[in-house]
Amino acid sequence: NAGVTQTPKFQVLKTGQSMTLQCAQDMNHEYMSWYRQDPGMGLRLIHYSVGAGITDQGEVPNGYNVSRSTTEDFPLRLLSAAPSQTSVYFCASRRSVNQPQHFGDGTRLSIL
Amino acid sequence: KQEVTQIPAALSVPEGENLVLNCSFTDSAIYNLQWFRQDPGKGLTSLLLIQSSQREQTSGRLNASLDKSSGRSTLYIAASQPGDSATYLCAVRRNSGGSNYKLTFGKGTLLTVNP
Repeated sequence: NAGVTQTPKFQVLKTGQSMTLQCAQDMNHEYMSWYRQDPGMGLRLIHYSVGAGITDQGEVPNGYNVSRSTTEDFPLRLLSAAPSQTSVYFCASRRSVNQPQHFGDGTRLSIL
Repeated sequence: KQEVTQIPAALSVPEGENLVLNCSFTDSAIYNLQWFRQDPGKGLTSLLLIQSSQREQTSGRLNASLDKSSGRSTLYIAASQPGDSATYLCAVRRNSGGSNYKLTFGKGTLLTVNP
């Protein structure tokens, strides 16, 4: 099983550029989330989705957009990259609220 | 606001030792608690999930307990091995009507098991 797949694994952007981080899962999970992980800050929720066509904001949503057109895919878009968005981004999915959360291997993003 | 604390931040033990990692949370109204391990440069791997109605879960050499009333969970690792070296994170999912989407993470305990 592929599980949760994130691409790319590494990316360097210049300030002001935009890009999309891809996330796909093959487990037919309804719930998907995006987190960022920063030293000393732990993991923080950016956006989440409870099913195709339904998304909502987490605790640090500013500067990011998401959409969920299919159950499998949940892309994260950076609208205009800023150095403060340098981080490791993780996508996660789960079948239901009482099931474990599964994570991808992350995208390491540097904004210059 | 839920806060999750993991103590110690780092732990170094000799191979073969039994050890306990601690996790505390401020709001006892949780739906479940999950323990993860994270290897350097990798994602999080789920180890154990404890529902709020459960007291403990076991998987191999790992045993996680939950005391919801006191806001504490422990992860017990028996007969530690160098391959157990990683960062261990706990995360709690709150029970707030329909808003049980959010996992709140601790900052983790960095475990080093020395051969």
